[in-house]
Amino acid sequence: GAVVSQHPSWVICKSGTSVKIECRSLDFQATTMFWYRQFPKQSLMLMATSNEGSKATYEQGVEKDKFLINHASLTLSTLTVTSAHPEDSSFYICSALPTLAEAYEQYFGPGTRLTVT
Amino acid sequence: QKEVEQDPGPLSVPEGAIVSLNCTYSNSAFQYFMWYRQYSRKGPELLMYTYSSGNKEDGRFTAQVDKSSKYISLFIRDSQPSDSATYLCAKVLTGANSKLTFGKGITLSVRP
Repeated sequence: GAVVSQHPSWVICKSGTSVKIECRSLDFQATTMFWYRQFPKQSLMLMATSNEGSKATYEQGVEKDKFLINHASLTLSTLTVTSAHPEDSSFYICSALPTLAEAYEQYFGPGTRLTVT
Repeated sequence: QKEVEQDPGPLSVPEGAIVSLNCTYSNSAFQYFMWYRQYSRKGPELLMYTYSSGNKEDGRFTAQVDKSSKYISLFIRDSQPSDSATYLCAKVLTGANSKLTFGKGITLSVRP
């Protein structure tokens, strides 16, 4: 089956620093990738939709200057949390949608746990 | 009203029990309904999806959609300890760029 990887799986950083999270589709091409955030015992909340070669579309309330998204190729999207603060600590999950697939066919990565101290 | 409401948990059942998980939704546009399973500290995996009203079966899992009452359910027969996870219902409009809307999730524990 289709596999999506994320790196790193777990990261601890100090307040004020930036962290980059990678999302890769390993065996398929993905024109569209999605970034979600999940707080403990909460559901997944969509942060942004990333389309290869174009600017990401951010959901209401998500700061685009704080969460930088780059989708430079059909298999890689990155999320950079800039000037991280403790309230950014969360579980970040990406998903990748195979080209020409329906939205329900997106495959999820294993997630990245970010802890900001 | 949230677009997808999911019955609160957690839920604990003995091994072999039949589990019923339920969600309600608003907005009646053309859409798919999905159930995801998420193990602790992992990403969600798609269990089942359905488009029409009625039942869809896959092994021990049955997804049921009632569009007239805007109700979606997941039944797990002969539940196993390995079924212990968080289950999320979700819906999405048809079309590639549509966004998934998730329910809050319910944590299921199957006791050996």
